[in-house]
Order: sequence, then structure tokens, then C-alpha cells
Amino acid sequence: QAQLVESGGGVVQPGRSLRLSCTASGFTFSNSGMHWVRQAPGKGLEWVAVIWHDGGNQHYADSVKGRFTISRDNSKNTLDLQMNNLRAEDTAVYYCARGSGANYYYMSVWGKGTTVTVSS
Amino acid sequence: EIVMTQSPATLSVSPGERATLSCRASQSVSSNLAWYQQRPGQPPRLLIYGASARATGIPARFSGSGSGTEFTLTISSLQSEDFAVYYCQQSNNWPPVYTFGQGTKLEIK
Repeated sequence: QAQLVESGGGVVQPGRSLRLSCTASGFTFSNSGMHWVRQAPGKGLEWVAVIWHDGGNQHYADSVKGRFTISRDNSKNTLDLQMNNLRAEDTAVYYCARGSGANYYYMSVWGKGTTVTVSS
Repeated sequence: EIVMTQSPATLSVSPGERATLSCRASQSVSSNLAWYQQRPGQPPRLLIYGASARATGIPARFSGSGSGTEFTLTISSLQSEDFAVYYCQQSNNWPPVYTFGQGTKLEIK
């Protein structure tokens, strides 16, 4: 069955960088748009970024635009999120999710998440 | 930016009873509306897409309705495993922005 496994989380100081990865299996990754969604401790879900199936389009939430970069390698079935200039408010569990439907508007498969803590 | 507002914030219902959760969009999102369930310590799980289509493996007691700006998730007979937080989510513009509601916590009465 479809599965997503995130990695790369950890504790990082404000202003530093971190790269998250997500490995997909059980579905045709190269046909799927992919999202990153995050959830701060005790809070709701916040969409972070999306990348089209062929990598041709990427879109970001205003809160991360200019600091985060989403990318993918369809030959390796992997999705990445490069996070630069991290802030305390970026502290969250980061989920990767498979996008489905028009403009990948809903998230049909979710990973279990990786935790990012930004703290000095 | 489209804002999604869920109500109520917390809903207390007894097992076996019906639960009705609401989601309102600040402008029309057509039927590009999804519902997710999140149990404590778990990732979200897709329940409903296209406002009313059940995702694979979702029990028939879950149903979605609505279009435009008003949407409803109904759970017809609550089971113990249904007590969780529920989120609605939309995307209906370009460039795409994917917006979640703030969530409704469904708790045991």
C-alpha cells in the first residue's frame, strides 16, 4: 500500500538550516503532486508547500516563502524540503503528503511526520 | 485568501449518537473541499474529498455534504475510535493555496 516516510528532523538553532526528506513507496510517485504540511505543538494543520508531479510548479505558504524550497527526485521516489533561516515559529511536526485531485487540492496519503525544533 | 471556519470548536457527543460538524469558507470553493480525521499522536487521515466522496476504506457512517461556502461532515453513529479532531481543507484558486480550518475536537459526552 502507499507509504510515505519522513526523515531529517531535529533540533536546530534559529537562523540555521535543515533539510527534510520523504521517501515514497506503493504508488507511482512520478505521477503525484506532493505536499509538506506542518503542525506546531498543540496547534492545527498548516500547509507549507506543494510541488507538481514533474517538478514544474512549486508553491509556498507566505510564512515560508523565500526561506523554504521544495524539490523532488522522481528517479529515487524522494521529496525534500530545504529550510533556511529557521525561526522559532517553524517548530512543528512536518508531514509529507500525496496530493490528489485538481491542482492536488486534497492530501490522500500522509506520512507519520518528522519533528523540527528551532531553539537556541 | 480564503479563510475556513469550523464550528463548533469542541463537540461533546455520546457513543452511538450522530455528530454534525460544520465548515464555512469565506468565499466559494466549489466542491474542492476535503475532511480529515486526526487521532492523538497520529497523522491526519483523509475521510472525504470533493465535499462528499468517501476516501478508500472509510466507513459509510461518515458522510460529507455541501458546496460553495457551507459544508457539513456527519458521523451517523459514533464509535469509540471516532473521537478525534476533524479538519476541513480547501484549495480553489490560483496560484494554489491550501487552507485548513482550525479543527473541531469531537469528545465523548
